[in-house]
Amino acid sequence: RKEVEQDPGPFNVPEGATVAFNCTYSNSASQSFFWYRQDCRKEPKLLMSVYSSGNEDGRFTAQLNRASQYISLLIRDSKLSDSATYLCVVNERGSGTYKYIFGTGTRLKVLA
Amino acid sequence: DVKVTQSSRYLVKRTGEKVFLECVQDMDHENMFWYRQDPGLGLRLIYFSYDVKMKEKGDIPEGYSVSREKKERFSLILESASTNQTSMYLCASSLKGRYEKLFFGSGTQLSVL
Repeated sequence: RKEVEQDPGPFNVPEGATVAFNCTYSNSASQSFFWYRQDCRKEPKLLMSVYSSGNEDGRFTAQLNRASQYISLLIRDSKLSDSATYLCVVNERGSGTYKYIFGTGTRLKVLA
Repeated sequence: DVKVTQSSRYLVKRTGEKVFLECVQDMDHENMFWYRQDPGLGLRLIYFSYDVKMKEKGDIPEGYSVSREKKERFSLILESASTNQTSMYLCASSLKGRYEKLFFGSGTQLSVL
């Protein structure tokens, strides 16, 4: 079983739609969680951290469910510019520091 | 803003060559990481370092080594490049701490012929 699993998609949605992605993780001792966005042929960039109580940043909402070991990302009022791959990232205690484990990503296409 | 700089955007090497990928960060981050990214497999951790001269194996260290002689620089070495090491290589850095964010360089697309 992969440590961090995501539905690869693609999710094809019309502009203005609401779309949600889930990500499951296998290590119950995982410390912290993030969503990154990656555009084609570019490096991943932080979208948002995911806090235990859930958090919102504009049109984006992230939730964490530790009991079920999943995190989610909700995008409201989708824009064409939201088209990208969304990477779920889990931070685990490694040797000497924390290490970041990535899911394979969920691809989103927002259609005009 | 944090800047993580990778020395080459594109690199073409021949099988058996020794390859050096360089990464420099300018924000005094303790942690540095090397990942490779392949279609369908996502980002996989090769090596990481949490201090100068310290290095730890990630999930796929075979065929690679690393060097961290200075805090700002983390080098990935392919001792004898093989075609299955053709990939996008991404360097990243972070502060220590469980809630710290990871910052990436723009990547090096390596082709081994």
